[in-house]
Amino acid sequence: EDKVVQSPLSLVVHEGDTVTLNCSYEVTNFRSLLWYKQEKKAPTFLFMLTSSGIEKKSGRLSSILDKKELFSILNITATQTGDSAVYLCAVGRSGSSNTGKLIFGQGTTLQVKP
Amino acid sequence: EAQVTQNPRYLITVTGKKLTVTCSQNMNHEYMSWYRQDPGLGLRQIYYSMNVEVTDKGDVPEGYKVSRKEKRNFPLILESPSPNQTSLYFCASSLRAAGGTDTQYFGPGTRLTVL
Repeated sequence: EDKVVQSPLSLVVHEGDTVTLNCSYEVTNFRSLLWYKQEKKAPTFLFMLTSSGIEKKSGRLSSILDKKELFSILNITATQTGDSAVYLCAVGRSGSSNTGKLIFGQGTTLQVKP
Repeated sequence: EAQVTQNPRYLITVTGKKLTVTCSQNMNHEYMSWYRQDPGLGLRQIYYSMNVEVTDKGDVPEGYKVSRKEKRNFPLILESPSPNQTSLYFCASSLRAAGGTDTQYFGPGTRLTVL
């Protein structure tokens, strides 16, 4: 059965800390891995990764995919209280019967304390 | 403004009373999808649509129906709601199939309680 597992499930840090969130997957016909941020409302898109070893970066956030070991990490440096949110990882599948299907992990709840 | 809208935003209903949650997008997106979000389970895909008149089941389709008669609308229908369908529901859309190269935009969510 296809699955996406995120760890840790929750995390509390202080402003300025660096955090690493993990997403591992076992999915047939892997197409892409996506990261979303969800703050008390709808998820917003952060990154999409399709190629192994290529880092995507946006400000203090970065992400990388390892297709051999089947995982991705999301790094946040110099955390701020505004980074407090649930971070969701999702995997998209390819193939005529799977295109359009997304599997989400449980999410990691990050709390950044002042 | 480009957006995905859902109505209602909050709904309390009783077991067995048919309801429809509407979803509309103004971005001319081909792909639309419904998810439910429950504590500890993350987002789970209910149904999705690749285009008008093309719909398919996600991972948790039981108890739900959808239709895609127009490109902009993708209503979620609960013919006979039950308490285990109490959840937070999100509609989303993207230009083409999710997981491809297109960003998926989410609606604001509908919190449904079935008593």
